[in-house]
Amino acid sequence: NAGVTQTPKFRVLKTGQSMTLLCAQDMNHEYMYWYRQDPGMGLRLIHYSVGEGTTAKGEVPDGYNVSRLKKQNFLLGLESAAPSQTSVYFCASVGRMNTEAFFGQGTRLTVV
Amino acid sequence: DAKTTQPPSMDCAEGRAANLPCNHSTISGNEYVYWYRQIHSQGPQYIIHGLKNNETNEMASLIITEDRKSSTLILPHATLRDTAVYYCIVRVAWAYNTDKLIFGTGTRLQVFP
Repeated sequence: NAGVTQTPKFRVLKTGQSMTLLCAQDMNHEYMYWYRQDPGMGLRLIHYSVGEGTTAKGEVPDGYNVSRLKKQNFLLGLESAAPSQTSVYFCASVGRMNTEAFFGQGTRLTVV
Repeated sequence: DAKTTQPPSMDCAEGRAANLPCNHSTISGNEYVYWYRQIHSQGPQYIIHGLKNNETNEMASLIITEDRKSSTLILPHATLRDTAVYYCIVRVAWAYNTDKLIFGTGTRLQVFP
C-alpha cells in the first residue's frame, strides 16, 4: 500500500515550457487535491476533484489545468510555465467515509 | 468555507504541554475542526479532529469550546520532534461537491530543550 505518490519529485523548467505532475493514490479515495506551497507560506488549494471525471477550482487556479480521468489519478498541468509557479506542489486524497487526508511527498518545481 | 485564525508562532519547553489555539468564529454546525502538522517540507500529517466534544488520541487532545468558535490542540509532553507548523482547518466531512479542504497559515511551534 503506497498511499499517495507524486511524480516527479523534482523538476526544473524553462519559462514557457509545459509539464504535467501526476498524483496517484491506491486507497480508492473519492476526493483529490492539488496544493502549492511557497517558501514560508501555508498550502494554497489549486484545484480539487470530488470524483472521477469531475474537477473544480480552488483558491489559486490560474495558470493550471487538471484532469481526473481515472479515480486513482489526478493530473496537474502547466501549459506555459512562469517563474511565479516556482513552488512545492502537494497532492492529497481523502475517502468519502475517511476522516483524514493523506498527502504525497511533494514535487519541487523550479521555473527559470 | 469557515476561516481559521492562528498565532504565527509559539515556543514550548521540551516535556511541557504545548497548547495551540485556533479561532473559527464562523464555523457552521456541520463543520468539523481538523488539525494537521507539517514537519520541514514534508506533506502535512493528520493529528486529530472533532465536531463538538473534546477528543484525545495517542498524539494529542483537542478541546473545542461550547460555542465551537475556538479550539485548542494540546500536545501533553512536547518533544523536539514536535517542532513543526500546525494547521487548524474546518471542513464539512463527507460533503459531496463542497469539500475544499482549505489550509490557513498555521502556527510554527518551536520546542526547545
